[in-house]
Amino acid sequence: EAQVTQNPRYLITVTGKKLTVTCSQNMNHEYMSWYRQDPGLGLRQIYYSMNVEVTDKGDVPEGYKVSRKEKRNFPLILESPSPNQTSLYFCASSSPGGNQPQHFGDGTRLSIL
Amino acid sequence: GNSVTQMEGPVTLSEEAFLTINCTYTATGYPSLFWYVQYPGEGLQLLLKATKADDKGSNKGFEATYRKETTSFHLEKGSVQVSDSAVYFCALSRYNQGGKLIFGQGTELSVKP
Repeated sequence: EAQVTQNPRYLITVTGKKLTVTCSQNMNHEYMSWYRQDPGLGLRQIYYSMNVEVTDKGDVPEGYKVSRKEKRNFPLILESPSPNQTSLYFCASSSPGGNQPQHFGDGTRLSIL
Repeated sequence: GNSVTQMEGPVTLSEEAFLTINCTYTATGYPSLFWYVQYPGEGLQLLLKATKADDKGSNKGFEATYRKETTSFHLEKGSVQVSDSAVYFCALSRYNQGGKLIFGQGTELSVKP
């Protein structure tokens, strides 16, 4: 089954404790992205990758890091989480081109206390 | 810059009512347009898309037409069901931006029996 898998689904943690949210896709997609969803704001892109070892900032990259060492994986790293990063996070992947639909994971709800 | 504006929700309808969710966009060039749906506790799923002016996307009884002259992509369904209750997102994407989606804020739809 074609899917994007995120882990964990839920996480409560404290300010400053480094965390990583993993994302893996099994569709051999070149493009991968991370978004955060906040009430009234829709989804906003954090970082994206167009291929292995190629990453770039999206609209809200501050406080986040990513890496793309393998085509299927695109982890999101919060090195020193803060309460304003409490949000619902989605990983997505797609084939190249602006008209290709994104495939989304089920989301990771992060609470930073 | 590029942006998407959706009608605010929540929208509450009775079963079998007609649905319209308005979406307008601002973008340079010729973006692709999408509607995504998010059911409770799940990630976003592609509902329909249109990639050029006057294209009509359709799926599961939902339709939307890409209107370049009015920069709109309104979502319609002739007869909603309780199972259509979800949050609906309008989004645009432009070529060669890593598949980046720019989302509207989302419209929550609740359908009552």
